[in-house]
Amino acid sequence: EAAVTQSPRNKVAVTGGKVTLSCNQTNNHNNMYWYRQDTGHGLRLIHYSYGAGSTEKGDIPDGYKASRPSQENFSLILELATPSQTSVYFCASGGLGGPSQNTLYFGAGTRLSVL
Amino acid sequence: GDSVTQTEGLVTVTEGLPVKLNCTYQTTYLTIAFFWYVQYLNEAPQVLLKSSTDNKRTEHQGFHATLHKSSSSFHLQKSSAQLSDSALYYCALSVFSNTNKVVFGTGTRLQVLP
Repeated sequence: EAAVTQSPRNKVAVTGGKVTLSCNQTNNHNNMYWYRQDTGHGLRLIHYSYGAGSTEKGDIPDGYKASRPSQENFSLILELATPSQTSVYFCASGGLGGPSQNTLYFGAGTRLSVL
Repeated sequence: GDSVTQTEGLVTVTEGLPVKLNCTYQTTYLTIAFFWYVQYLNEAPQVLLKSSTDNKRTEHQGFHATLHKSSSSFHLQKSSAQLSDSALYYCALSVFSNTNKVVFGTGTRLQVLP
C-alpha cells in the first residue's frame, strides 16, 4: 500500500505569516502534487513535480511556492498567508509509465485556517 | 488548457436504483487516461477505477465506466446504488507529458437514500 504522510494535520496561521506544509512519500514515485479542496471547486492543482529538483505551476499557483528537495519530500510554502488560503490541502504521489499508471495516492490532508 | 467538467454538484438516488455521474473533458494531449476517485467523509480521495482505452468498459466494486473519446466523456454508472456508496466522486484526467499533470473535476456528491 502506497504511503503518503502530510504534516501538520491541522494548522492555524495569522495573516501575513509564513506557512510550510510538508509531504513525504515512501512509494518511490516520481510525481508529486499539491491540491486544495474547497466546496464547489473540488480539487484544484496548485503545484506539482515530476522528480527531485523540479516544480511546475498548476492551475492556481498564485500565493504559493513549492519545493522538491528529494524524491520523498515535497513542500508547499505560503510566504504571506491570507484568509483566502484557508482550505484543506492534499498532497498526492503517482507513478510513471504513462498516464494510466499515474494512479494518485493521497495523504490524509492538512486543514489550514488563516486568521 | 486541460479541463474536466462534472455538471452535477449533487446527485440523489434511492437505494437499489441505478445512478449515473457525468464527466466530460477537454485536452489537446493524445495520450491520456481517466480516473474516478471516491472520497468518503473525513477521508482522503482514493482511486475507484481507471481507463485509457477508447470504448472499453472498466469495472470495479460494482461501478463501471467507458472512455468515449468521440464524445470526450467518461461517465460513471452503477446499476443498483447502495447506502454505502454515498460519497464525493471526482473524475480526473491524467496526461502523458514530461510533467505528468493530473486535473480533477469539481466533484459530484452522491447521496443514496433508503
